[in-house]
Amino acid sequence: LAKTTQPISMDSYEGQEVNITCSHNNIATNDYITWYQQFPSQGPRFIIQGYKTKVTNEVASLFIPADRKSSTLSLPRVSLSDTAVYYCLVGAPNTDKLIFGTGTRLQVFP
Amino acid sequence: EPEVTQTPSHQVTQMGQEVILRCVPISNHLYFYWYRQILGQKVEFLVSFYNNEISEKSEIFDDQFSVERPDGSNFTLKIRSTKLEDSAMYFCASSEGGTGEKLFFGSGTQLSVL
Repeated sequence: LAKTTQPISMDSYEGQEVNITCSHNNIATNDYITWYQQFPSQGPRFIIQGYKTKVTNEVASLFIPADRKSSTLSLPRVSLSDTAVYYCLVGAPNTDKLIFGTGTRLQVFP
Repeated sequence: EPEVTQTPSHQVTQMGQEVILRCVPISNHLYFYWYRQILGQKVEFLVSFYNNEISEKSEIFDDQFSVERPDGSNFTLKIRSTKLEDSAMYFCASSEGGTGEKLFFGSGTQLSVL
């Protein structure tokens, strides 16, 4: 399983765009990149998943360069309610074992 | 959006006692998981379950742990003889098609072993 490295924490202000980058140098050919969000005392919540280039949904965008050794989660115009821990996970769809790293603790200030 | 339901939300038990944590996965999902999170630490994988058998398990999931899908709706985690270090938030999750699909997590059961 590819190991991921993310910043431990980030601070932002309301209304700003936040970009969280994850390194996964040992990503395998059939691995997908998935991001989850976790609020205190709640289970993780799926945000977005991608394989290459760019994926966008109603809450975030995921940018993946051609070499796929990193990925960037982009949250547009964050609000206080986006304060959470964000996890980058890498794994193949045919495995039944999704491993969470330490995540990035995002703090949004007013 | 469909939800994974976990009961109880809090469980307090004495060391050495057996506990059963219960989960109702989303009805059309086929893959089921248990994770745990010790306070202040990362989310740790325990076990995955598909087609009525364990498909993957971690080193944490030793002989004290077992999982069962006793009927068509419930998915349970049993800890036979709890230890102090089993105190954690336990999350159940389910997905339609394995980890390549979106995992839906429940709100968790906070287990406190005294």
